[in-house]
Amino acid sequence: AQSVTQPDIHITVSEGASLELRCNYSYGATPYLFWYVQSPGQGLQLLLKYFSGDTLVQGIKGFEAEFKRSQSSFNLRKPSVHWSDAAEYFCAVAFRTGTASKLTFGTGTRLQVTL
Amino acid sequence: DTAVSQTPKYLVTQMGNDKSIKCEQNLGHDTMYWYKQDSKKFLKIMFSYNNKELIINETVPNRFSPKSPDKAHLNLHINSLELGDSAVYFCASAGGENIQYFGAGTRLSVL
Repeated sequence: AQSVTQPDIHITVSEGASLELRCNYSYGATPYLFWYVQSPGQGLQLLLKYFSGDTLVQGIKGFEAEFKRSQSSFNLRKPSVHWSDAAEYFCAVAFRTGTASKLTFGTGTRLQVTL
Repeated sequence: DTAVSQTPKYLVTQMGNDKSIKCEQNLGHDTMYWYKQDSKKFLKIMFSYNNKELIINETVPNRFSPKSPDKAHLNLHINSLELGDSAVYFCASAGGENIQYFGAGTRLSVL
């Protein structure tokens, strides 16, 4: 069965510092990978996705992620964090079941930004 | 114009009651989902419908019954609510590109 691991439950960075959030997955086939962000009291917003092709993908809000098949990882990065980036970040892997695509989420990483 | 909208945003009710959460999407997608986010923020899929047909039905108590009157709507009805049903419920929709778009969530509190 597919699974997603986000080893960091909580990360604190200073505003302006760089950020890397880790994500490892377990899945037998080529995965569809996603990063979503959830601000307090809000729904989930898609940051970026990887389906195939270039392993470095760009997303919204200055985020990027790199797919590394050999490490089964899809880490999220941002060169300079802004205070508004404080939120919960979820990595997810999708596989198709019939006509639907089923998302399996990691447990999330809560990002705190200090000024 | 909200793409995936859920109502209500908050729902507070007593144990044993029956309640419904509604979801509508205006993206023209064929597939809709319900997810449950527990108190530890863990998200788990509950159901998926494709063009009004049930596709995914995870291990969910049969007190939970989804209903899709048309492909733009997927409602969730919950009978005999229990304390453990307290959570945030998210609706999502997806088109052929395999990307799921989420609503803002419904926070259900069972007292």
